[in-house]
Amino acid sequence: EVVVTQSPATLSASPGERATLSCRASQSVSSSLAWYQQKPGQAPRLLIYGASSRAPNIPARFSGSGSGTQFTLTISSLQSEDFAVYYCQQYHNWPPGTFGQGTKVEI
Amino acid sequence: EVQLVESGGGLVQPGGSLRLSCAASGFSVSTDYMTWVRQATGKGLESVSIIYSGDTTYYADFVEGRFTISRHSSKNTLYLQMNSLRVDDSAVYYCARLSVVVPAAVDWGQGTLVTVSS
Repeated sequence: EVVVTQSPATLSASPGERATLSCRASQSVSSSLAWYQQKPGQAPRLLIYGASSRAPNIPARFSGSGSGTQFTLTISSLQSEDFAVYYCQQYHNWPPGTFGQGTKVEI
Repeated sequence: EVQLVESGGGLVQPGGSLRLSCAASGFSVSTDYMTWVRQATGKGLESVSIIYSGDTTYYADFVEGRFTISRHSSKNTLYLQMNSLRVDDSAVYYCARLSVVVPAAVDWGQGTLVTVSS
């Protein structure tokens, strides 16, 4: 099984700042990686797939990069609505595609 | 517009059963790849089961032999039959539709809470 590890567990930042979240896979997953955002009491929402492609209606301030085992989600300028938990998921070894444990972005 | 609405969650005793439903609109559950993902309170996301091409199914090890995923084409509904429930099956269960491009979950329901407790 591919293990996916996210860091940091919690990221404290202020509105307007740049946020960088990391995701590492235990073996190469090529570019088969997705990022999701989850706000309290809500279902997750797909942000990025294919490591760097934004899903429909996702603002341009969200960008993804990386391949192989190291990936990054960058939020260029944090908005108040971006404070949430972010999960990465590899789908190179699918099914099932394993999730990371999440990174909480807090004010 | 795609919509997914789960139902069927609730409180059940250990060893009991529940059937979750996920009513879909805006697409066909029979032709798309569908999944159940769960999230225990304060925890991360776990893939529980997937149904995909030709009704091929996948189950996580922790539910294999206890849960069954299925879909009903005329009702356009996805199901998860859960038997022999354990306390650690307690979670919010989400149904989701996977993208036709890559197997990432593009559309999600609001979730239904399953609590297994005596």
